[in-house]
Amino acid sequence: QVQLVQSGAEVKNPGASVKVSCKASGYTFTGYYMHWVRQAPGQGLEWMGWINPNSGGTNYAQKFQGRVTMTRDTSISTVHMELSRLRSDDTAVYYCARGRGYSAYEPFDYWGQGTLVTVSS
Amino acid sequence: DIQMTQSPSSVSASVGDRVTITCRASQGISSWLAWYQQKPGKAPNLLIYAASSLQSGVPSRFSGSGSGTDFTLTISSLQPEDFATYYCQQANSFPITFGQGTRLEIK
Repeated sequence: QVQLVQSGAEVKNPGASVKVSCKASGYTFTGYYMHWVRQAPGQGLEWMGWINPNSGGTNYAQKFQGRVTMTRDTSISTVHMELSRLRSDDTAVYYCARGRGYSAYEPFDYWGQGTLVTVSS
Repeated sequence: DIQMTQSPSSVSASVGDRVTITCRASQGISSWLAWYQQKPGKAPNLLIYAASSLQSGVPSRFSGSGSGTDFTLTISSLQPEDFATYYCQQANSFPITFGQGTRLEIK
């Protein structure tokens, strides 16, 4: 069965960077886009960008351009999301989510369990 | 960016009721509209894609309709497990955007 398992919670100081991992299993890793979505406490969902695990190509939301980097390691079916220059308003649960088809425009049919990133001094 | 506006922001209903949630896009998105259900402390769950297609494993009491700018999610007969927050999402163009959410509460 399809599973996305994310790395554990992080606490970071303002200005630091965080790297969240998402390990996929149960399907062909390179066949589906992977997206990252975040949710601040008590707030809605915010899309951050996608990575094509096959080519390594990425597309980031303009809001995060210059601060976010998405990478993949096909040997271990894992994608990573690194966010730099953290601010307090980056405190959120970060989710990886698989696109349901072969296009980056497909909705998200499987989600990781979420990783809480807390930014605080 | 395409703005997605849901209404109402919250609704109270009883088990067995029929509930409709509306989502409006700031510009036409064809049928590139999905609906998700999210329960507290959990990841969202895909219910509907392509505006009206039921995701595998989702009960048939959920249905979606609409195209262009106006869309609806209908739950035909509320069950206790349906009380949650619902989000619409457009994927017609990047950045992908979500509605602000509709909280469905027990009356």
